[in-house]
Amino acid sequence: ILNVEQSPQSLHVQEGDSTNFTCSFPSSNFYALHWYRWETAKSPEALFVMTLNGDEKKKGRISATLNTKEGYSYLYIKGSQPEDSATYLCAPRMDSSYKLIFGSGTRLLVRP
Amino acid sequence: ETGVTQTPRHLVMGMTNKKSLKCEQHLGHNAMYWYKQSAKKPLELMFVYNFKEQTENNSVPSRFSPECPNSSHLFLHLHTLQPEDSALYLCASSQGRELAGGHNEQFFGPGTRLTVL
Repeated sequence: ILNVEQSPQSLHVQEGDSTNFTCSFPSSNFYALHWYRWETAKSPEALFVMTLNGDEKKKGRISATLNTKEGYSYLYIKGSQPEDSATYLCAPRMDSSYKLIFGSGTRLLVRP
Repeated sequence: ETGVTQTPRHLVMGMTNKKSLKCEQHLGHNAMYWYKQSAKKPLELMFVYNFKEQTENNSVPSRFSPECPNSSHLFLHLHTLQPEDSALYLCASSQGRELAGGHNEQFFGPGTRLTVL
């Protein structure tokens, strides 16, 4: 069974703070990593798909890095805003399988 | 809006009822997925259809019966469910063709919150 760990489970920050959280996955047979942002009562929204070791992706104030050799990815949010409040999910794919193996997510709450 | 819709958004049913969940995608995709999220658990893949053919059944009990009449629609038929089947059921779609390889980015619907009494 593939073990995908996300930490922390939840995070409360003040508006304007920068924050980051981690996704850990087995490094062997890695193929791709997907990050999703999931607001309550809405659909999970794709943020990034990352494949190469050392990849860095950016979308506005959100960025992500990937280390496939040690099996982790960081998601960073610069200058958090209340609208960033959501659960952030990571989902690696292994061996070019189509299956996404989801972590439990990091729930972020940004206080105004 | 992700282009994937699900109905109903909420469903309460008794253990002897029969109901169906519906998913529709407007993205021209050929692969569709059912996921389940139980309380405090990660999303779990249940079924996959690619070009209307079922390619994955992740050891799901037979009281859940999927149907994919065409590439745009996916149903999940429910009968004699148990209270522990109460969960959020999410549908997703992706381009398909070759499910393996490529990014095969999945686009999700908002889910159906199911409560079994």
